[in-house]
Amino acid sequence: DAGITQSPRHKVTETGTPVTLRCHQTENHRYMYWYRQDPGHGLRLIHYSYGVKDTDKGEVSDGYSVSRSKTEDFLLTLESATSSQTSVYFCAISLPDRGPVYGYTFGSGTRLTVV
Amino acid sequence: KNEVEQSPQNLTAQEGEFITINCSYSVGISALHWLQQHPGGGIVSLFMLSSGKKKHGRLIATINIQEKHSSLHITASHPRDSAVYICAVMNYGGSQGNLIFGKGTKLSVKP
Repeated sequence: DAGITQSPRHKVTETGTPVTLRCHQTENHRYMYWYRQDPGHGLRLIHYSYGVKDTDKGEVSDGYSVSRSKTEDFLLTLESATSSQTSVYFCAISLPDRGPVYGYTFGSGTRLTVV
Repeated sequence: KNEVEQSPQNLTAQEGEFITINCSYSVGISALHWLQQHPGGGIVSLFMLSSGKKKHGRLIATINIQEKHSSLHITASHPRDSAVYICAVMNYGGSQGNLIFGKGTKLSVKP
């Protein structure tokens, strides 16, 4: 695989607490993304980054912030977790064209439960 | 109305059958992706298409830009193909992160 890891894999937290999810890549790719996946919805973009300290909002960015101080790390923070943020979170990087099978590489996901 | 619609939502097939999953979209696109999500949750990129047809092993993806439609075909299906298949489009002129995802097609292949 393209060397993308997410941590933690699972987390249970209480409403109102801050939570930070980490995405780490070893491929030196410029573009990184955070998505959330919920039943009845397709994957939805939260935030993305196109370089160190360069980030932009996605479709469902309210309640989330991100930081990218190094190429390899993209952090997603829930400043004050709410039950509506219970979801599976995926980090992804986009890859250059290497033939018929390419595009995006996804992390294994973080299952976050806010109680 | 969703901008990316997949059909069917669920599909059950017998091993060896030829499978087709469809994706229709309503926006102008610069590219279309097919992804596979395994039962364990991991997501794998299968194809990125901007025109024509691509093939990788038993998987074939086609796109008709004029019709705004793409199909993913699996030949000689196998139980290990059981997964959710997701179509996603990159909005034409949109930013790099602007993928719009379908809700997925859940495929179950019985031995």
